[in-house]
Amino acid sequence: EPEVTQTPSHQVTQMGQEVILRCVPISNHLYFYWYRQILGQKVEFLVSFYNNEISEKSEIFDDQFSVERPDGSNFTLKIRSTKLEDSAMYFCASRGGQGGLETQYFGPGTRLLVL
Amino acid sequence: GEDVEQSLFLSVREGDSSVINCTYTDSSSTYLYWYKQEPGAGLQLLTYIFSNMDMKQDQRLTVLLNKKDKHLSLRIADTQTGDSAIYFCAESTYGNNRLAFGKGNQVVVIP
Repeated sequence: EPEVTQTPSHQVTQMGQEVILRCVPISNHLYFYWYRQILGQKVEFLVSFYNNEISEKSEIFDDQFSVERPDGSNFTLKIRSTKLEDSAMYFCASRGGQGGLETQYFGPGTRLLVL
Repeated sequence: GEDVEQSLFLSVREGDSSVINCTYTDSSSTYLYWYKQEPGAGLQLLTYIFSNMDMKQDQRLTVLLNKKDKHLSLRIADTQTGDSAIYFCAESTYGNNRLAFGKGNQVVVIP
């Protein structure tokens, strides 16, 4: 069964460093998402992406965040200058966009720890 | 805006039924979902209900929706050890990309 994959599974970085989280969505899907979950808190929407541009973003998704689909398969989330409060589990998701019930399929997540 | 609340922890004996509850605030919610997260895994869609339905049954899973009280529940019949996981409810509205999640409810099944 097709699935969303994410790399790395864990990342430790120093405050102020840039990180890139990678996702490979399901191959024929058209909509892509990033969510995050700070430990003990809710899963929060960050951004959605369609047709090579951001379609919606939350108030969390400020100028230090960016997303990109550099090729036909990868979808990346870049955090330009990490802060301690960026430590969280980051989930990528994708959905088909071909109509009908549009459920989002999630990857296993990348656990980011900022020291 | 959306706000989804869940209680945090439930333990249940294998073979018993378990019920997980969720409340939401957005009356324009179109779909309500239950996702399951096993350790080290992603969020797996278990089931969903459209907002014009009161109940949906899918094998061992029963979803009840009370729109008046904005209350969603998931009943798992004959709970198995493989059901031990964190369960998240989520909502979406028509035309809105984002899912709004609850904090999750950890279910521990005792053999």
